[in-house]
Amino acid sequence: GAVVSQHPSRVICKSGTSVKIECRSLDFQATTMFWYRQFPKQSLMLMATSNEGSKATYEQGVEKDKFLINHASLTLSTLTVTSAHPEDSSFYICSASRPPYEQYFGPGTRLTVT
Amino acid sequence: QKEVEQDPGPLSVPEGAIVSLNCTYSNSAFQYFMWYRQYSRKGPELLMYTYSSGNKEDGRFTAQVDKSSKYISLFIRDSQPSDSATYLCAMSPKGGGSTLGRLYFGRGTQLTVWP
Repeated sequence: GAVVSQHPSRVICKSGTSVKIECRSLDFQATTMFWYRQFPKQSLMLMATSNEGSKATYEQGVEKDKFLINHASLTLSTLTVTSAHPEDSSFYICSASRPPYEQYFGPGTRLTVT
Repeated sequence: QKEVEQDPGPLSVPEGAIVSLNCTYSNSAFQYFMWYRQYSRKGPELLMYTYSSGNKEDGRFTAQVDKSSKYISLFIRDSQPSDSATYLCAMSPKGGGSTLGRLYFGRGTQLTVWP
């Protein structure tokens, strides 16, 4: 299967700071990437759809000014959590879409805000 | 009613058993069906991918799709302790534009295979 990487795998930050998470498709070009959030023992919650070269589409209830998404190339998308608060602590997972409809996930980033 | 329903379990079986995992859905526009396996604190791993109705087999895994009943299944033969994980069903409508590839997930079924 295809490979998607995420960096960092784990990050601890102080409340009020910003954190950037990178998602890369290593062996294919991804026009579309997705960002998910997952709480313990819950399924994945789609946060936003990121298309290369255009603005991300956010799901209802997701603050676009708080979760900044940039998809500058066909292999890289970034999620920046701005002014992080403890309630933003979660497991963030990205995925990359390979046509026609396969989607491959990264290993996830565990964010802890203290 | 959620678009994709999946019994969260937990499901516990002995090694060597046949495991049956299922999902139902309500949106008849779904055309692509996937099963993912997720180990604790890891990203989901794509196991099986099928288009429309029918069966697909890959080693010990068999995926079945019955669009008339809006029901999909994943069977695991000769289950192993290493199969212990959460299994997520996912599906996608036939479509395009900015929603291309958007997946709709079930809650996931937690499976434990004990030796």
